[in-house]
Amino acid sequence: DVKVTQSSRYLVKRTGEKVFLECVQDMDHENMFWYRQDPGLGLRLIYFSYDVKMKEKGDIPEGYSVSREKKERFSLILESASTNQTSMYLCASSPLSRDRGSPLHFGNGTRLTVT
Amino acid sequence: AQSVAQPEDQVNVAEGNPLTVKCTYSVSGNPYLFWYVQYPNRGLQFLLKYITGDNLVKGSYGFEAEFNKSQTSFHLKKPSALVSDSALYFCAVSPRVGAGTALIFGKGTTLSVSS
Repeated sequence: DVKVTQSSRYLVKRTGEKVFLECVQDMDHENMFWYRQDPGLGLRLIYFSYDVKMKEKGDIPEGYSVSREKKERFSLILESASTNQTSMYLCASSPLSRDRGSPLHFGNGTRLTVT
Repeated sequence: AQSVAQPEDQVNVAEGNPLTVKCTYSVSGNPYLFWYVQYPNRGLQFLLKYITGDNLVKGSYGFEAEFNKSQTSFHLKKPSALVSDSALYFCAVSPRVGAGTALIFGKGTTLSVSS
């Protein structure tokens, strides 16, 4: 089974701090994704990456950046955390495929609270 | 714009009764459609997908979904609900061809099965 591991389940940070959320997958997947999940809004795509050192903005990239130095690891960075970034963050991965049919495999999420 | 809509925030059903969780979509071209389930404090788990072929798709845990092109719907169904089916369900569409394959998710429907 694919395993996507997010390093923290719960995180509490102060406004203005730089925050790193780490995600590692063990199935050699090319694609990796960061979503945030908020009640009533569903999942919204922040950034994704389809190769090492490659990244693309999703629907809500403002206030975030990402790093993918190794294929198995995809980091989400909050440059200066704000209270409106309090949310559940979900990492996912999928293999590169010629069509759009590969399902995403998700980690268990990191619940971030910014105070 | 590509999108999915889940018109019900919550669905309540008695154990043993059939259940339906609704999803409608708006895409250009052929739709690639997915259902995911999320249990409390967990990431999303893939249930099933429709790419092409038979309009009735079977997935995990006894779930199935019916694709209806004329109504642009992809409703999730199960003939006999279990209390353990209580969870948050997300419909999703894959809008991009090629690299990335990021999904666009609906806002989610909470399914509550009572004993």
